[in-house]
Order: sequence, then structure tokens, then C-alpha cells
Amino acid sequence: SAVISQKPSRDICQRGTSLTIQCQVDSQVTMMFWYRQQPGQSLTLIATANQGSEATYESGFVIDKFPISRPNLTFSTLTVSNMSPEDSSIYLCSVVRRDSYEQYFGPGTRLTVT
Amino acid sequence: QKEVEQNSGPLSVPEGAIASLNCTYSDRVSQSFFWYRQYSGKSPELIMSIYSNGDKEDGRFTAQLNKASQYVSLLIRDSQPSDSATYLCAVNMWSSGNQFYFGTGTSLTVIP
Repeated sequence: SAVISQKPSRDICQRGTSLTIQCQVDSQVTMMFWYRQQPGQSLTLIATANQGSEATYESGFVIDKFPISRPNLTFSTLTVSNMSPEDSSIYLCSVVRRDSYEQYFGPGTRLTVT
Repeated sequence: QKEVEQNSGPLSVPEGAIASLNCTYSDRVSQSFFWYRQYSGKSPELIMSIYSNGDKEDGRFTAQLNKASQYVSLLIRDSQPSDSATYLCAVNMWSSGNQFYFGTGTSLTVIP
């Protein structure tokens, strides 16, 4: 497997502010993804974080709202910008290891926007 | 049609019984198939991966893959209350740029 850490684990933020979530993995991985999961719902892919280039966003998600960086093979950040209560969710980082097709998830960041 | 479909449940089985979770997928060239377990308030945990037709066993878990029928299942033998969770099926589709698609999950409750 892969050891993945996310910071912060949870946060309560005010409307209109931004929060940056960090994802760190203990080994080099090929792919890194960012997901959102509402309580009781399934996973929604936000984007694929590409090393050294712009992330690939899924339909309904845009760079201005969810800027993503991936400066190297083991680290990525997701920023949730200009937050509204609708952004309250769990944000999950996931990785695919170099030597397998298996995807592993970080512990998640629980975001509440008031 | 969704890429990956699962019965949402809830599925309830008595302790000690076999729980059977099913998943169908739409892309015939999919190569990799995964089952995740997600406890309430936790992130998904990979429990099984399967790449070729047939059965793959790991402890009390057996994954079954039938590519001709585009069907993958997970059997949990001797179900325990600690198996109560949501189980997510995931498929890696090379034809979609190596994308992963997740089902909506099946909620399993094992009754003591």
C-alpha cells in the first residue's frame, strides 16, 4: 500500500475565504487524484493532479475554484477558493503507485463552511 | 448508462452468513477491478483487486470476475459485525485515459 497524509484533517471556515489542503505520500506514485464526498454519497472526482503541469478537471469543476498544484511525485495541494456552505464536504486525496494499478486514499479533510 | 453500477442496498445478513455484493460495468476493455470498504466517517480502504477472469481469494473475501458478462462480485464468508460498512466497486478503464470509475456503493449490515 501507500502511506498518505492529508493536512488539515478538518477545518471550519467562513464563507468567502479559501483553504489549501495538502497531500503527501511516502513513495513515488504515478497518478494523484482529488475527490469530494458528501455525507452518505459516493465519490466525485474533482481532478487529476499532473506533475509540473495544469491539473485535468472533471466536468463541473474549474481551476479558478479548485486550483491544484503538484510540484513533485509525492506532494499535491488542493485549494478550495471563495468558499460557500455548498463546499462543505470531505475532500480526499488518492494515489496510484508506480508498480501497480491500485488506488489508495488519504484519510480525508472534513471541511465545514459557515 | 453509468460506467459502474451497484445495488445501493442496504444489504443485511446475519452473522456467520455469506454476503454477496455485485457490480456491473459498461466498458468491455476495462482491465483492473477493485473493491473498497468504507466505514462511516472514514476514507475508502482497498480490500481486493482482481485483473483476470475467475476467482481471487484473500482470507474471508473472494472477488469474482467475469469479463464476458462485465460483472465483478465480492463474497464475504463468515460475515462479522465488523464487516458492516459501505463497499465500493471501482473499475480502471484504459479506454478513458486510464480513468477510475467508482460505483455508488452498497451498504452492508451484519446482524449479530
